[in-house]
Amino acid sequence: QVQLVQSGAEVKKPGASVKVSCKASGYSFTTYGISWVRQAPGQGLEWMGWISAYNGNTNYAQELQGRVTMTTDTSTSTAYMELRSLRSDDTAVYYCARKRSDYDYEGLGYWGQGTLVTVSS
Amino acid sequence: DIQMTQSPSSLSASVGDRVTITCRASQSISNYLNWYQQKPGKAPKLLIYTASSLQSGVPSRFSGSGSGTDFTLTINSLQPEDFATYYCQQSYRTPPGFTFGPGTKVDIK
Repeated sequence: QVQLVQSGAEVKKPGASVKVSCKASGYSFTTYGISWVRQAPGQGLEWMGWISAYNGNTNYAQELQGRVTMTTDTSTSTAYMELRSLRSDDTAVYYCARKRSDYDYEGLGYWGQGTLVTVSS
Repeated sequence: DIQMTQSPSSLSASVGDRVTITCRASQSISNYLNWYQQKPGKAPKLLIYTASSLQSGVPSRFSGSGSGTDFTLTINSLQPEDFATYYCQQSYRTPPGFTFGPGTKVDIK
């Protein structure tokens, strides 16, 4: 079965960087892209961006451009999301997710368990 | 960019009630609209995709409808496990973005 297992919680100081991993199993990793979604405490869901596991193409939310980098390691079926120049409002649970089918428009059917990133001095 | 709104932002209902949540897009998105359920401390769960298709394993009391800019999620005969927050999401422009609505919290009356 499809599983996405994320790395553990992180505590970072303002201005630092964080890199969250998402290890996929149960399917051919390069067939589907990985999206990243975050959720600040008590807030809604924010789509951060997407990476193709096939060719590494990316598309980032405009508000995160320049601070976020998404990569994949096909040898380990792992996706990574790095966020730089962290601010207190980057404190959130970060999720990786995969679309439910071959069609992008059919939504995100598989989710990781989430990684809490806390930014605090 | 496509903006998504939801109404109401929260509602109180009783077990057995019929609940309707509305989602509106700032421009036409055809039927490229998905619905998710999220419980506290858990990842979101896909309920409905392309406006009206039920995700595998989701109870049939959940249904979706709409096209263009206006969409609804209906829960028939609300069950105790349905108390959660519900989000709509547009998938019209993919990439770049899977914009989410702000959410609707359904709690117990």
